[in-house]
Order: sequence, then C-alpha cells, then structure tokens
Amino acid sequence: GAVVSQHPSWVICKSGTSVKIECRSLDFQATTMFWYRQFPKQSLMLMATSNEGSKATYEQGVEKDKFLINHASLTLSTLTVTSAHPEDSSFYICSAPYAGGSYEQYFGPGTRLTVT
Amino acid sequence: DAKTTQPPSMDCAEGRAANLPCNHSTISGNEYVYWYRQIHSQGPQYIIHGLKNNETNEMASLIITEDRKSSTLILPHATLRDTAVYYCIVNGGADGLTFGKGTHLIIQP
Repeated sequence: GAVVSQHPSWVICKSGTSVKIECRSLDFQATTMFWYRQFPKQSLMLMATSNEGSKATYEQGVEKDKFLINHASLTLSTLTVTSAHPEDSSFYICSAPYAGGSYEQYFGPGTRLTVT
Repeated sequence: DAKTTQPPSMDCAEGRAANLPCNHSTISGNEYVYWYRQIHSQGPQYIIHGLKNNETNEMASLIITEDRKSSTLILPHATLRDTAVYYCIVNGGADGLTFGKGTHLIIQP
C-alpha cells in the first residue's frame, strides 16, 4: 500500500512556543491531505483539509490562526501549532487519499505533542 | 457522510475468524464503505473498501448486503496482532473522514 510519513514522531515543547509537524506522501502525489487530532481514549477528529496550491479549509471550531497549514508541494503538507498551550497536547495524524484507487486514505504514524 | 453503527467491543479467539458488523442504513448510492483499524498509539491503517460487491484482499474480506445498509468485515484467521479498534466509515470520495467510536476487537490467546 501507499506510504505516508510524519516527522517528528513525538515532540515536547514549552508553552507559548510553536511546533511544526511534517506530513509526506512517499510514493504517490496528494493534492489533498487531511489533519486529524486525537485525544486520549477518543476517536480521531478531522481538523482541516490541506490543499496544494490553495488555502486550507478548517472544520468548525478549529482556529485557523492557531493551526497553520501549508501544502508546499504534491507530497508535503505541514501543520504548525502556534503559541502552543498544554491543552494542545494531543496525537496529531495526517492522511492522504490515494487517487489511483477509490480514494482510500493512507495515514501517517502520528505525532505525539506534549506542551509543558 | 452517512452515519455508521458498530458494537463497542468484541472478543475473538486466536486462529478463529473475526466477524465485525457495521450498520449504515442511510448510505447513498455513490458512497463507499471503508474499513480502517488503529492499533494503540499508531496511525490508522486502511484495510479494505467496497461499493456493492463483496471484496477480498490479503488482509480481510468485506461482505456488503444487497440493500447496502450493512456490512461485515471478516478477518479469516485472527492473530494477537489483530487486536485494535476497527472503524467502519462511509465516504463518497476524497473527503476528510468522520470517525465514530469503532469496535475494539480483542483477540484472546
């Protein structure tokens, strides 16, 4: 199957700082990627849709100025958590639909963010 | 996207077939049924998908009822590594996915 990578796999940062998470599709191109957040013992929640060449679209309740998304190329999307606070501590996961099939999605391994 | 209903948990003995049901009674004609699973602290893994016909791949089989209102994921010979949360999701295309609570499948040795 198609492979999606994320970097870093885990990060600890201090409150008020910014953190950038990268999501790469390794063997296919993705004009669209998705970012999810997962809190402990909960399901994944869609945060935003990253679009190559245009602005990201955000789900209701997600602050676009806090979670900056840049789809720099057909294989790379980045999520920057700005002015992070402890309540932003979560598991962040990206995915990309594989356009060669029926849009099944391939997920990255996730990034564990801890804000102290 | 259509809503899905799954049992919260299931047990299965190692080596036996695991049959995971999903109800999606409001599915539209152009929506696919996808199954993903998430092993603890990892990103979800795509398993299989289908539109109308039954499907099989190296991981599992998917049985979709004729009226498309329900489906069953079958893991033919479950192993301990199949312990995970399994999500049944209905989606019409390259959209972001809506995850329900899924079924926590526990494979017993």
